[in-house]
Amino acid sequence: GNSVTQMEGPVTLSEEAFLTINCTYTATGYPSLFWYVQYPGEGLQLLLKATKADDKGSNKGFEATYRKETTSFHLEKGSVQVSDSAVYFCALSDRGGGADGLTFGKGTHLIIQP
Amino acid sequence: EAGVAQSPRYKIIEKRQSVAFWCNPISGHATLYWYQQILGQGPKLLIQFQNNGVVDDSQLPKDRFSAERLKGVDSTLKIQPAKLEDSAVYLCASSDSGETQYFGPGTRLLVL
Repeated sequence: GNSVTQMEGPVTLSEEAFLTINCTYTATGYPSLFWYVQYPGEGLQLLLKATKADDKGSNKGFEATYRKETTSFHLEKGSVQVSDSAVYFCALSDRGGGADGLTFGKGTHLIIQP
Repeated sequence: EAGVAQSPRYKIIEKRQSVAFWCNPISGHATLYWYQQILGQGPKLLIQFQNNGVVDDSQLPKDRFSAERLKGVDSTLKIQPAKLEDSAVYLCASSDSGETQYFGPGTRLLVL
């Protein structure tokens, strides 16, 4: 079956530090990959996505590259801000037979200190 | 554009009671999903509807959970009878046949 593994949190960084959150996946087909973010007190929202190998998704200074050879989709940002403090979820969708529900990782809590 | 609406936002019940959650997707979205998010874990898909038909309910505990989407718009998820381990946030999401799912705020259920 499909699964997503992401680094355990919490991850605590100082403002302007470089961020990497690791994500690896297992899938039977050719999945699409996503990063969702949940800010304090808010619902899940899509941060970025990539639908095929070597695609790079980017948004709000975050980026992630779909690496089929290493089955990874690591999230990076060059300079984090306090407002980036949130829980980040890596997820995949494998559209077998039209069923495209998301399989999520456990989430990584990111804390940015001023 | 209004987002995905869910109610109630919070619910506390005792074990063996029944409970129902309601979801109204974004207007025009044909696909609707229900997820269960237990504390400290990522969301887990329970059921996916395409219009008013079920596409995937392989992870739905059918002995106690049921869901329907009459007329292909609103949806209701029911638990009967509830167990302690059903304490979680129940998330509804919708999509317009693209790949982006839009999530509602969730219903936080506590079973005592």
